[in-house]
Amino acid sequence: GAVVSQHPSRVICKSGTSVKIECRSLDFQATTMFWYRQFPKQSLMLMATSNEGSKATYEQGVEKDKFLINHASLTLSTLTVTSAHPEDSSFYICSARDPLAGPQETQYFGPGTRLLVL
Amino acid sequence: GENVEQHPSTLSVQEGDSAVIKCTYSDSASNYFPWYKQELGKRPQLIIDIRSNVGEKKDQRIAVTLNKTAKHFSLHITETQPEDSAVYFCAASTGTYKYIFGTGTRLKVLA
Repeated sequence: GAVVSQHPSRVICKSGTSVKIECRSLDFQATTMFWYRQFPKQSLMLMATSNEGSKATYEQGVEKDKFLINHASLTLSTLTVTSAHPEDSSFYICSARDPLAGPQETQYFGPGTRLLVL
Repeated sequence: GENVEQHPSTLSVQEGDSAVIKCTYSDSASNYFPWYKQELGKRPQLIIDIRSNVGEKKDQRIAVTLNKTAKHFSLHITETQPEDSAVYFCAASTGTYKYIFGTGTRLKVLA
C-alpha cells in the first residue's frame, strides 16, 4: 500500500517552455501532497504543500507564479514549471500522506522527476 | 522556523561495524522524526521513525534514539552490510506534517 507515482521520470526541455509533472497516489486518497526539489548531492528542500481543493502553500523563497501547483483530485497533484530556465534543472520529488493508514505524519515519496532545461 | 543539522556528511565503515548518524533540531515543537534512505536517483524510503513521547525505537539492525531536552536524535545501524550504502536523511516535523530535512549523510560500507 501507500504507493506514489510520478510522471514523467525524466524530461528535457528548452529554456522558456513550461513543463508539467504529475504526482499520483495509486492506492489511497491523499488530501495533502508535498513537492520537493533536490539538487545533486544536496538535501530535499520543501517547495510547497498541495492541498486538495484549495490553494497550495508555498515555502519562503519559492515563486508561486513560476511553480504552479494544482491538486484537483484526491489522487493527483501537478507541478508546472513555467518559463523554465537552466537553473530550474533539478530532481523534483513529490510525497503524499495517507491519513487512513499508519502514522499520520508519514510521507510516502514518488520516484522523482529529473528535469533538464537546455 | 525549524532547522535540522546532520552529521557527519560522509561516513565510511567496515562491513559488520556499526554506523551512527546524528541530527539536531531547533524547534521544540517538533514531535515526529523520520529517517529516510535514498539510493542514487531513487526515491527516499522510510526506514524508521520516532515520536517525541518515545526515547528509543528499534527495528532489527536499525535503532533511533531521541533526546528531547538536548533536541537531538540519532540513527544507529549495527552489523552493517554493503547494501546499507546510501544517503541517509533525518527529518523533523511539527503538527503541520511538513518535513524539514537534514543535509544528508553518505554512508559507505566497505566489504
